[in-house]
Amino acid sequence: DSGVTQTPKHLITATGQRVTLRCSPRSGDLSVYWYQQSLDQGLQFLIQYYNGEERAKGNILERFSAQQFPDLHSELNLSSLELGDSALYFCASSVGGMEGYTFGSGTRLTVV
Amino acid sequence: QKEVEQDPGPLSVPEGAIVSLNCTYSNSAFQYFMWYRQYSRKGPELLMYTYSSGNKEDGRFTAQVDKSSKYISLFIRDSQPSDSATYLCAMNTGFQKLVFGTGTRLLVSP
Repeated sequence: DSGVTQTPKHLITATGQRVTLRCSPRSGDLSVYWYQQSLDQGLQFLIQYYNGEERAKGNILERFSAQQFPDLHSELNLSSLELGDSALYFCASSVGGMEGYTFGSGTRLTVV
Repeated sequence: QKEVEQDPGPLSVPEGAIVSLNCTYSNSAFQYFMWYRQYSRKGPELLMYTYSSGNKEDGRFTAQVDKSSKYISLFIRDSQPSDSATYLCAMNTGFQKLVFGTGTRLLVSP
């Protein structure tokens, strides 16, 4: 157990739907990062939050949004889902980022 | 051109072999270098972390960073079947997002 908790582990949904992925960071970590991993693209950075505030944005689609709550857990919202959104979505947390992140076990999203 | 380049493999070796995994990068501002191991359908697990140039050893694993060549390596000695996984290099400038390589798939056969 890495200390980073992601739920749900698996999600199957239809095109056009909206889903919410949840992440609880490791105790003491203020930064939360969201990554998307697909077979052909590797790990793609989506967004970072630090202590409740958005810190950096990557290749995140406008249909996707995220937030970090006062208790530091984070949610990634994916809407108007397309087949191409099927991927593994990882959350990671860190104290500062210089020594790497700790990843959760991911949420496997399948859009049918 | 990607910021971080990594050969996807697969790299197949017999048990006991020395494995060399490598990445090149283009951003000279990168200062922090990591190696992650990812088993199938699992989250990446941090193996090694190195700051700036030099070597770092941890058991059977050695990480090397050559900033002048923008080249980093991970060596695995006495490789085991349990080392079969995808190895991802990652790097950043500090308090910034990590940039990952696409990963090299390693297969160690008994």
